[in-house]
Amino acid sequence: AQKVTQAQTEISVVEKEDVTLDCVYETRDTTYYLFWYKQPPSGELVFLIRRNSFDEQNEISGRYSWNFQKSTSSFNFTITASQVVDSAVYFCALSGQNNDMRFGAGTRLTVKP
Amino acid sequence: EPEVTQTPSHQVTQMGQEVILRCVPISNHLYFYWYRQILGQKVEFLVSFYNNEISEKSEIFDDQFSVERPDGSNFTLKIRSTKLEDSAMYFCASSEFRANTGELFFGEGSRLTVL
Repeated sequence: AQKVTQAQTEISVVEKEDVTLDCVYETRDTTYYLFWYKQPPSGELVFLIRRNSFDEQNEISGRYSWNFQKSTSSFNFTITASQVVDSAVYFCALSGQNNDMRFGAGTRLTVKP
Repeated sequence: EPEVTQTPSHQVTQMGQEVILRCVPISNHLYFYWYRQILGQKVEFLVSFYNNEISEKSEIFDDQFSVERPDGSNFTLKIRSTKLEDSAMYFCASSEFRANTGELFFGEGSRLTVL
């Protein structure tokens, strides 16, 4: 069975603070993909990143960075110098051998000015 | 940029009525999905569809639900007899490859309200 746990239900920070969103996953598959999606107040799901299970290299994209560690089954997401526009619900997701992608419960991030 | 489009954006229906939600996936995509999100809760997988048949479905996708690709472009989700607990945002997604190898592109969602 596949499972994604986002233990942080809500996080509130002040603009320009760094914030890390945690994601822990469980899977028996040897090949799998991990994802992060952003859901702004408007409701759509915005793709942020995909990472396969064989690539543990960390990735940086602007103010966003991702830390994938197979040893701890974690795929954490850090926003550096947060901005009000980063306020959204962020979902971590996992896709394995089956053709279904399972989401975590999401973390609601509020960035205050 | 190609996108997944969904109609209607919002539908209000009476309990027990049938509802059809429509999706137009990205044209060269082969895999199609429905997800739902009850207000304020997680995004839940319903079903995946490939080669004109269901490839995976979740425990939520019971006999009340069905999917089809009637004309090669639309991908529909039918709820036969809606219940109050079916009220949710329903997201359609498509991908060029299987979900474990490719990005899923999501539509903007169809909000279903069952009264």
